[in-house]
Amino acid sequence: SYEVTQPPSLSVSPGQTASITCSGHNLGDEFVCWYQQKPGQSPVVVIYEDTKRPSGIPERFSGSTSGNTATLTISGTQAMDEADYYCQAWDGSSVVFGGGTKLTVL
Amino acid sequence: QVQLVQSGAEVKKPGASVKVSCEASGHTFSNYITNYAFHWVRQAPGQGLEWLGWINPVNAVTKYSENLQGRVTITWDSSAKTAYMELSSLRSDDTALYYCARSRLGEPAGHWGQGTLVTVSS
Repeated sequence: SYEVTQPPSLSVSPGQTASITCSGHNLGDEFVCWYQQKPGQSPVVVIYEDTKRPSGIPERFSGSTSGNTATLTISGTQAMDEADYYCQAWDGSSVVFGGGTKLTVL
Repeated sequence: QVQLVQSGAEVKKPGASVKVSCEASGHTFSNYITNYAFHWVRQAPGQGLEWLGWINPVNAVTKYSENLQGRVTITWDSSAKTAYMELSSLRSDDTALYYCARSRLGEPAGHWGQGTLVTVSS
């Protein structure tokens, strides 16, 4: 089955930029979205269609793609951004999630 | 505003089946709107998100993850505006928080239920 790969963890200091990658063989052919999940909560969309930000999501969240890699960037990372982040794509009519990246803000 | 409310926690023995419900309120139901999907996603303790499948509530078309090897069945009750996920032949590694979520086909899931904990233990 189609697999999408993320780094398992990333640590940044407050105010720094966090970049989380998501790689997959055919990722460049599909839109990628990103979810943020905090402990005990359901996931929330922070980026959709590679680069778009839903209303209510801070401007410091942005998305980009290059070839078969999508990247979620958090500029000026804040303590409240500490969470698990998952990329997701559609593989035809199936859905595939990345393994998730635990972002720690030290 | 769409709200998805799931049924309560379940404890099952290995080999049994479990059926979890997800009631949708605020969702617009129309025979002309055919591109919505209600998904089921699970998350084992300390693990990531795993997609299980989806159902289109208008035409009952389903799509399942191959990883579940035919053990999952998703249905829709239009009178109750409720999606159901049944998982059979339960194993200990099926212990997880099971979420329902709604999306347009091809788009991200913008609405999620609160999750239902299913524990499989002898």
